[in-house]
Amino acid sequence: GNSVTQMEGPVTLSEEAFLTINCTYTATGYPSLFWYVQYPGEGLQLLLKATKADDKGSNKGFEATYRKETTSFHLEKGSVQVSDSAVYFCALTQRIGQGGKLIFGQGTELSVKP
Amino acid sequence: SQTIHQWPATLVQPVGSPLSLECTVEGTSNPNLYWYRQAAGRGLQLLFYSVGIGQISSEVPQNLSASRPQDRQFILSSKKLLLSDSGFYLCAWSVSNHGLGGYTFGSGTRLTVV
Repeated sequence: GNSVTQMEGPVTLSEEAFLTINCTYTATGYPSLFWYVQYPGEGLQLLLKATKADDKGSNKGFEATYRKETTSFHLEKGSVQVSDSAVYFCALTQRIGQGGKLIFGQGTELSVKP
Repeated sequence: SQTIHQWPATLVQPVGSPLSLECTVEGTSNPNLYWYRQAAGRGLQLLFYSVGIGQISSEVPQNLSASRPQDRQFILSSKKLLLSDSGFYLCAWSVSNHGLGGYTFGSGTRLTVV
């Protein structure tokens, strides 16, 4: 079945460091890919998405490219801030009946120190 | 604009008591609606989804049930809570396109069963 694998956390970085959170997926067909962010005590927010191969999603300085040949959707940011500390989830959609099921990776906790 | 409301934000309930969590969506019609649970360790599990009034699909067998009495209302219930029902419950909606555009999540309900 479809699945998403993320790098294990926690990831601890100093402010202004470069961030990469790896995400690979297994899927049939052509899923849409997403990164969600969860700040402490809150629900999930959509960070960025890509709906077809070679698409690059970007938002708030984060970006990720849909790589079909490597089945990857790695999240990157050039210079992280303390406010980026959160849990990041990679996800893909799978059709279920008339609905769409979001399949999540296990999440990667990011901690940015000043 | 579309908004999603979930309540209550936190809940402490004794084992064996009933549960009712409510989720409503505004600013859209005929959304797909979803209930997820996030247990300790941050994994997200899809519990139920609905593509229309009265149409509920369950992803995993459990102690919970869901109902959709109105187009933009989704309710998660239990007749008798178990300790294992503790967790962070998230409601989400998507447009009726199999979720290919992503979901919008509510702010969540943290349930502690004691």
